[in-house]
Amino acid sequence: SQQGEEDPQALSIQEGENATMNCSYKTSINNLQWYRQNSGRGLVHLILIRSNEREKHSGRLRVTLDTSKKSSSLLITASRAADTASYFCATVGSQGNLIFGKGTKLSVKP
Amino acid sequence: DTAVSQTPKYLVTQMGNDKSIKCEQNLGHDTMYWYKQDSKKFLKIMFSYNNKELIINETVPNRFSPKSPDKAHLNLHINSLELGDSAVYFCASSQERGAGRFFGPGTRLTVL
Repeated sequence: SQQGEEDPQALSIQEGENATMNCSYKTSINNLQWYRQNSGRGLVHLILIRSNEREKHSGRLRVTLDTSKKSSSLLITASRAADTASYFCATVGSQGNLIFGKGTKLSVKP
Repeated sequence: DTAVSQTPKYLVTQMGNDKSIKCEQNLGHDTMYWYKQDSKKFLKIMFSYNNKELIINETVPNRFSPKSPDKAHLNLHINSLELGDSAVYFCASSQERGAGRFFGPGTRLTVL
């Protein structure tokens, strides 16, 4: 069953702006992961944050996790046209299953 | 070198046919997966497999079956294809079940 829900479903910004995507989930997790999918391509793993972590950085990406609110956010700073893609959060529970949300479609205009 | 590869990239076939999609990973991972992405981009796990355990999503029809000749390969066989099977199928692998997945490029299956 679906676990994560991304918000917004679609986001359109100008190059150079920051993009923030949110994810909410329902049950307890071991970790939460973010993926990017370019149109017509496979998914690329971006970052994994464990349930005992609150924030993680990777280049222009910043992920936060609030387990009390069962939510996570992905911030892309100084966005580029090449960041245009769909972004998915996915949660891992105690059984190790990865369950995806519906995704946020990000469009970065040059 | 491609980490996770799938063939074919596109597959167009008639209802009722039997088809296979091949997947190979050269990452030395122990666990491989098959996911289905529908027209609304929703991704659903179909199978999770390592050399010890096959976990099947109970919603997957038994017309779908994974076959693993060795640790680096997990092929997907589909019998008696139906219109509703049209989707993009992704193979993936990971070092362990809780770790990040490496995805293949996908196979777009169209059933006519």
